[in-house]
Amino acid sequence: RKEVEQDPGPFNVPEGATVAFNCTYSNSASQSFFWYRQDCRKEPKLLMSVYSSGNEDGRFTAQLNRASQYISLLIRDSKLSDSATYLCVVNEGRDDKIIFGKGTRLHILP
Amino acid sequence: DARVTQTPRDKVTEMGQEVTMRCQPILGHNTVFWYRQTMMQGLELLAYFRNRAPLDDSGMPKDRFSAEMPDATLATLKIQPSEPRDSAVYFCASGPGGLGYGYTFGSGTRLTVV
Repeated sequence: RKEVEQDPGPFNVPEGATVAFNCTYSNSASQSFFWYRQDCRKEPKLLMSVYSSGNEDGRFTAQLNRASQYISLLIRDSKLSDSATYLCVVNEGRDDKIIFGKGTRLHILP
Repeated sequence: DARVTQTPRDKVTEMGQEVTMRCQPILGHNTVFWYRQTMMQGLELLAYFRNRAPLDDSGMPKDRFSAEMPDATLATLKIQPSEPRDSAVYFCASGPGGLGYGYTFGSGTRLTVV
């Protein structure tokens, strides 16, 4: 089983729709979780951390289910500028080892 | 804005040549990562350091790759000899360490080995 697995994508979604990304992780000792965004030919950038109680930042909502080892990201009212690859990231805790999923590509259609 | 600086941005080299990539982490960040990204494999962790000491380099082909932090302001990744399969984008990321903190990436070195 891969350490961090994400939906394969790509997702082609009309502007204004709601998009959901899912991610599972294999190491039950993992301590902290993030979503990163990567634009074409650019470096990954931190989008948001994921807290146990769930957290929201504007149109973005992240949730964590430790029992199922599952992380999600919801984007509401999607914009053309949301088109990018979304990467699920896990800090395994042991010496802060940071593992990335392969990412899910999102295309927002006008 | 504080940034992670990587050099060179692009590198084209012939198979068998030595390649050195450099990274200047954000001042005060004590944890530095090296990743390699390809279309097929995504972001692969090669090695990382805490307070300049290597914590894990198990993702790195040891026969040809080496990573060091000669001082707190410089991390290097060296490939010798380079091979076409090493062609990828190599990213450096730094952070303050500790749970709950994300990491800042440099803009990467795009390596092409011909």
